Amino acid sequence: QSALTQPPSVSGTPGQGVTISCSGSFSNIKSNTVNWFQQLPGTAPKVLIYKSNQRPSGVSDRFSGSKSGTSASLAISGLQSDDEADYYCATWDDNRKGWVFGGGTKLTVL
Amino acid sequence: QVQLAQSGAEVKKPGASVKLSCKASGNSFTTFHVHWVRQAPGHGLEWMGLIDSTYGRTAYAQEFQGRVTMTRETSTNTFHMDLSSLTSEDTAIYYCAASSGWYAVFDRWGQGTLVTVSS
Repeated sequence: QSALTQPPSVSGTPGQGVTISCSGSFSNIKSNTVNWFQQLPGTAPKVLIYKSNQRPSGVSDRFSGSKSGTSASLAISGLQSDDEADYYCATWDDNRKGWVFGGGTKLTVL
Repeated sequence: QVQLAQSGAEVKKPGASVKLSCKASGNSFTTFHVHWVRQAPGHGLEWMGLIDSTYGRTAYAQEFQGRVTMTRETSTNTFHMDLSSLTSEDTAIYYCAASSGWYAVFDRWGQGTLVTVSS
């Protein structure tokens, strides 16, 4: 069972916005920053958001991250077909003394 | 920026061990940390542990304690991950990934190595 809880799937139509949640606890999300990865089929994950709300250069500003208490969220605006992918949150866990991932959320663009 | 190149696919029998490699290039002078993350078929990402390039300090996920060993060869900037007592549940793609610090996001990834455990 993952230390971080994500919805298994979300969906939206082109142009719409969606939000993916990531729920944790005091020892992980509350105490540390959250990172988000996008994994396209058959490829290695790629960082979308780091330190909860920072975007690496080259990542579209349609992606944004936020954190409040023991939860974090990834918002995607203006959905495009090539946003179809799996999305994972990840952070350090002080109790486990290691990194933890959410179970992943599959985004479908209808 | 660090670039990571991983070794090729492996097929192992249950009970065996596997040693994977991850060669770093493009960053000779900066400390970085190498993480190992695996993904079983149809499943999510699972962090296994990390090692720092300068001192060789390691941290392993509780799930793999006693079964995993991460090492580095400083002369070749190559990192290894040894996993023992393999079962079919260890069949997965194993990725190495690099971060600039222990708590920093791992923003450089290798291409992945498929390990298949089958009798």
